[in-house]
Amino acid sequence: DAKTTQPPSMDCAEGRAANLPCNHSTISGNEYVYWYRQIHSQGPQYIIHGLKNNETNEMASLIITEDRKSSTLILPHATLRDTAVYYCIVGQYNNNDMRFGAGTRLTVKP
Amino acid sequence: EAQVTQNPRYLITVTGKKLTVTCSQNMNHEYMSWYRQDPGLGLRQIYYSMNVEVTDKGDVPEGYKVSRKEKRNFPLILESPSPNQTSLYFCASGGRAGNQPQHFGDGTRLSIL
Repeated sequence: DAKTTQPPSMDCAEGRAANLPCNHSTISGNEYVYWYRQIHSQGPQYIIHGLKNNETNEMASLIITEDRKSSTLILPHATLRDTAVYYCIVGQYNNNDMRFGAGTRLTVKP
Repeated sequence: EAQVTQNPRYLITVTGKKLTVTCSQNMNHEYMSWYRQDPGLGLRQIYYSMNVEVTDKGDVPEGYKVSRKEKRNFPLILESPSPNQTSLYFCASGGRAGNQPQHFGDGTRLSIL
């Protein structure tokens, strides 16, 4: 079973920031938080990951709470092309313990 | 360019006719895995491999086989396909360290009639 909880769907206006929450209250100390997205039926695309600190790359920012029990993925200026299902996953795949849940379906609207 | 390549991308076949879906990665990754994706059921892991000659069952291995003779290749074999194996399949690979992301292929859509 997935070790995360995400809202099933969210809407965001084009050009605004999209903030996608994820709860992972049972995360252990060596488990990373990963975010992927899947546009239509394409292969999941890696976005960002982190352990404790907040992370930023060209696609997004990841904010992890101090207790690590939840995180937020931020797409700073959402575009229509960001419409996708976003998956939050915790674990270490070298332990093969990472499982995809249902994710959040983000719809960016004009 | 870092890639996970699956072939074929689409296949329609009949029950019982053995088929192989190939997966190849060019990133020298140790870890590879196969998933299937079905409506309402999400991505489910079929098999995975931690390294050459090391494979293990995922969550839904029934009806599938894999092999890992070389680091770059991880074929998925359906010895006797059945209609319930009609699905969208993804191959993924990743480095040994747990802090590296997985890379996914573009998917293979199988229809078993």
